[in-house]
Amino acid sequence: DAKTTQPNSMESNEEEPVHLPCNHSTISGTDYIHWYRQLPSQGPEYVIHGLTSNVNNRMASLAIAEDRKSSTLILHRATLRDAAVYYCILVSYNTDKLIFGTGTRLQVFP
Amino acid sequence: GAVVSQHPSRVICKSGTSVKIECRSLDFQATTMFWYRQFPKQSLMLMATSNEGSKATYEQGVEKDKFLINHASLTLSTLTVTSAHPEDSSFYICSAKGRGAVGETQYFGPGTRLLVL
Repeated sequence: DAKTTQPNSMESNEEEPVHLPCNHSTISGTDYIHWYRQLPSQGPEYVIHGLTSNVNNRMASLAIAEDRKSSTLILHRATLRDAAVYYCILVSYNTDKLIFGTGTRLQVFP
Repeated sequence: GAVVSQHPSRVICKSGTSVKIECRSLDFQATTMFWYRQFPKQSLMLMATSNEGSKATYEQGVEKDKFLINHASLTLSTLTVTSAHPEDSSFYICSAKGRGAVGETQYFGPGTRLLVL
């Protein structure tokens, strides 16, 4: 499985934008980029996913580099409830498996 | 949106007993369900994948005779930890994936915290 690399932790202040990076230099052409987040003592929650084009939804935006070797999850205005571990995961079109890495722990300060 | 529930949310049992954890997709049919385990301060580890009506596929290193998985219907999968020992204490999380719009991502349950004394 192609692997992703994320910073261990990041910090933000409330109501500021947050850019969470993810490197995936070995991504294949059929790999989708998925982002999930896990709040303390809860199951993960789907955030967003994309293949080549940038994507927006009510939770976040996903910016995908032109060569697809990196992507950035953008939280436009961080809130205290966004404090979580964010996982960037590559999912091949022919498999359902999610292989979780260590993710990025986001702290949000008031 | 797609909702997945787990029961119980937490369980304490004695060493040597078996524990059953249920995972239900409440508002969609789950063609595939997954079971994960998460130890404190670690990431999720995929244990097995189950498709409705067929045997589960276990990840390398996961004992299929210890972690029995049944996916008897399109809305229910169960994980039974047999002869549980203290090292089995962990956070067990299921997820489900359906067809169509709910087939693009996995929807996770809230998790079951197991403590084996």
